[in-house]
Amino acid sequence: AQSVTQLDSQVPVFEEAPVELRCNYSSSVSVYLFWYVQYPNQGLQLLLKYLSGSTLVKGINGFEAEFNKSQTSFHLRKPSVHISDTAEYFCAVSDLNSGGSNYKLTFGKGTLLTVNP
Amino acid sequence: GAGVSQSPSNKVTEKGKDVELRCDPISGHTALYWYRQSLGQGLEFLIYFQGNSAPDKSGLPSDRFSAERTGGSVSTLTIQRTQQEDSAVYLCASSFRRVNEQFFGPGTRLTVL
Repeated sequence: AQSVTQLDSQVPVFEEAPVELRCNYSSSVSVYLFWYVQYPNQGLQLLLKYLSGSTLVKGINGFEAEFNKSQTSFHLRKPSVHISDTAEYFCAVSDLNSGGSNYKLTFGKGTLLTVNP
Repeated sequence: GAGVSQSPSNKVTEKGKDVELRCDPISGHTALYWYRQSLGQGLEFLIYFQGNSAPDKSGLPSDRFSAERTGGSVSTLTIQRTQQEDSAVYLCASSFRRVNEQFFGPGTRLTVL
């Protein structure tokens, strides 16, 4: 079964600093990859997705992520964060080799990004 | 346009009572998903509906949990004889088709006393 590891449960940073949130998934030949953000008391909002093509994916709010197949990673980055980026970030994987259950998203446990002034 | 809506936003119930949670997906989305978000467990898949196909119920944790989707639109998740471990946020999502971006609702926070 697919699994997703978000290596950091909490990441505190100062405003305008760069940030990287790490995500690794268990090996599979074909996957779709997603990053979602959850603001307090809200549902999940899609930041970006990798389905195919260029391994560098740009999303909303200045975030980007790079798909690295050899390292089975999909780390999320932003060059300069704002206070408003404080939220929980979830990495999710859809395994295209899961015997027809490729609609299921497997989520990591989340990384709480706290941006301090 | 309107997003996925869920009701109620909060539900407090006593152990042993039944609860119903409602999800209104985005109009035109054929796929609907339920997830549970709880401390320590993260986000867990519960059930998936796609059009008129039989739902994938493989994520339901026990036979106390059931869900239906009427007319290919609104869905209701029912938990019978609630237990304290059922306390969680229940999230609904919909997508235009399978293996596509899922749009999430704000969730229903269930507290079982």
